[in-house]
Amino acid sequence: AQKVTQAQTEISVVEKEDVTLDCVYETRDTTYYLFWYKQPPSGELVFLIRRNSFDEQNEISGRYSWNFQKSTSSFNFTITASQVVDSAVYFCALAYNQGGKLIFGQGTELSVKP
Amino acid sequence: GAGVSQSPSNKVTEKGKDVELRCDPISGHTALYWYRQSLGQGLEFLIYFQGNSAPDKSGLPSDRFSAERTGGSVSTLTIQRTQQEDSAVYLCASSLGRYYTQKDEQYFGPGTRLTVT
Repeated sequence: AQKVTQAQTEISVVEKEDVTLDCVYETRDTTYYLFWYKQPPSGELVFLIRRNSFDEQNEISGRYSWNFQKSTSSFNFTITASQVVDSAVYFCALAYNQGGKLIFGQGTELSVKP
Repeated sequence: GAGVSQSPSNKVTEKGKDVELRCDPISGHTALYWYRQSLGQGLEFLIYFQGNSAPDKSGLPSDRFSAERTGGSVSTLTIQRTQQEDSAVYLCASSLGRYYTQKDEQYFGPGTRLTVT
């Protein structure tokens, strides 16, 4: 079965704390892509990152970093020095077949308090 | 450039009526997707278009749901005889759709909030 699990439903932190959002995926395919999307209170899903199954190199973009580990089927997302503007629902997603439909996790609602 | 646009932004309809939701993808994007977001079910895939054809309709929940795409651009999702469980936000996304692969990121529109009373 193809599945994405985000076990953390809600996380609350204080500004400037680091926070990690967990994502565990299941797929039988050897070629697949993993994504993170952000959904701020305005509602529109914003693309953050794409990784393919052949590239386990970690990625850093400003305060954001991603840790992809095939051995544990995880693709975790860390925000360093969180800010109030980071408050949103974050979705991890998997695309595994021709056409690329996304299988989403249930989302993690992050609340960053000043 | 312009992003994905959807109309209407909100739609309230009575149970049993038909509704049409429209999506305008990013220019040049050959792949178009419809998803549904509801509190109970999260984000669910409905249908995928590559050009004007729909190779994957596996997410359509019933035969009351249909979609078409014309000119490789605008898409319309139609729900016939709406039911209360159809209430959700309907999201459209588009991507470059290169080589019919899953690699391209999808860009989402703002969604249409459908409420069935």
